[in-house]
Amino acid sequence: DAKTTQPNSMESNEEEPVHLPCNHSTISGTDYIHWYRQLPSQGPEYVIHGLTSNVNNRMASLAIAEDRKSSTLILHRATLRDAAVYYCILPVGGSQGNLIFGKGTKLSVKP
Amino acid sequence: EPEVTQTPSHQVTQMGQEVILRCVPISNHLYFYWYRQILGQKVEFLVSFYNNEISEKSEIFDDQFSVERPDGSNFTLKIRSTKLEDSAMYFCASRQGQGNGYTFGSGTRLTVV
Repeated sequence: DAKTTQPNSMESNEEEPVHLPCNHSTISGTDYIHWYRQLPSQGPEYVIHGLTSNVNNRMASLAIAEDRKSSTLILHRATLRDAAVYYCILPVGGSQGNLIFGKGTKLSVKP
Repeated sequence: EPEVTQTPSHQVTQMGQEVILRCVPISNHLYFYWYRQILGQKVEFLVSFYNNEISEKSEIFDDQFSVERPDGSNFTLKIRSTKLEDSAMYFCASRQGQGNGYTFGSGTRLTVV
């Protein structure tokens, strides 16, 4: 099963862009790249996911390297509400696809 | 926006008692999951459910745990005889298909005393 590597923590200033990196060098051709976040005292929240092409939604953008061995979650303008733990996950288990959470990156946002 | 609904939000139970945690997944979703998170620890996978049967379960999901989809809308997690170490947040999740994201509920805080 493909594993991911993320920095333990990152800091950002409010209203500035944030780039959260993720390495997944053992990714297979059919593995989707998912990002979730967990705000303090809340459940995991879907952020974005993609397979090969870069993806944009109202929350964030996902930039996927051409060789797919890394990806970057981009928050275009960080707000205090974006302070959370961000998880980069490649679902395992074939078509059923279970999320196995690691430690993620704890993002702090300074006013 | 469609939501995964979990009830109750908080349940306190005595050790050895049975508890049932309830979830209503999003209506057109086909894959269902239970996760738990002990305070201060990682989110842990418990079980996945598809086509009315368990697809995969973790080592945590032993004989004390069971899941059921009793009708077209509810998805339940039963713990037969609760232990102190079962105290945790339990999250239900669902998704439509293989290429889709997972939607999580807001969780049930289970406290075993």
